[in-house]
Amino acid sequence: SQQGEEDPQALSIQEGENATMNCSYKTSINNLQWYRQNSGRGLVHLILIRSNEREKHSGRLRVTLDTSKKSSSLLITASRAADTASYFCATDALLSSGDKLTFGTGTRLAVRP
Amino acid sequence: NAGVTQTPKFRVLKTGQSMTLLCAQDMNHEYMYWYRQDPGMGLRLIHYSVGEGTTAKGEVPDGYNVSRLKKQNFLLGLESAAPSQTSVYFCASSYSSGTRGNEQFFGPGTRLTVL
Repeated sequence: SQQGEEDPQALSIQEGENATMNCSYKTSINNLQWYRQNSGRGLVHLILIRSNEREKHSGRLRVTLDTSKKSSSLLITASRAADTASYFCATDALLSSGDKLTFGTGTRLAVRP
Repeated sequence: NAGVTQTPKFRVLKTGQSMTLLCAQDMNHEYMYWYRQDPGMGLRLIHYSVGEGTTAKGEVPDGYNVSRLKKQNFLLGLESAAPSQTSVYFCASSYSSGTRGNEQFFGPGTRLTVL
């Protein structure tokens, strides 16, 4: 079963604009992570936010977490063509063994030059 | 450091054939995972391992077996391939959350087609 569901499924923006994608999940978590996947490649970890954190920044990335709504958002500011990729949220569920992550279905982001 | 490597990169099998996918990591990670990725379905966990000599089932384990005889290697086997196993397979590894953050490091993937 998919723990995380991203919204929107696809997003097309102009270079320089901001991109926001959202993730909703179902159960209590230890942390939530965001990954990027370029076409035909493996996933790359972007940022991790713990359940007791509300906001985190890394470069042009800003992640928020609302555990009461079981949702997270990823904001990419001043987007570039190189940001074109699929973005996945992944949840580390509370009491899950083996630090297993459950991935959502992803948001496909296209940044037009 | 090579990170996480997977072999082969591509493979075409006929129904009923067997094969083994190899994953290797050089980061001394305790945990290793095998996922499959199908269009519109994200990644689904097949099997995972929390240490040398241990394996456990994930979300979609049927039709697959795994072994972790060495800490750095995690093998995924298909004993009798079926067309439903056509997919892209990813291996990943991580430290345990008890030691460090549990972000996962992914290999480049193996694209498998079963005819």
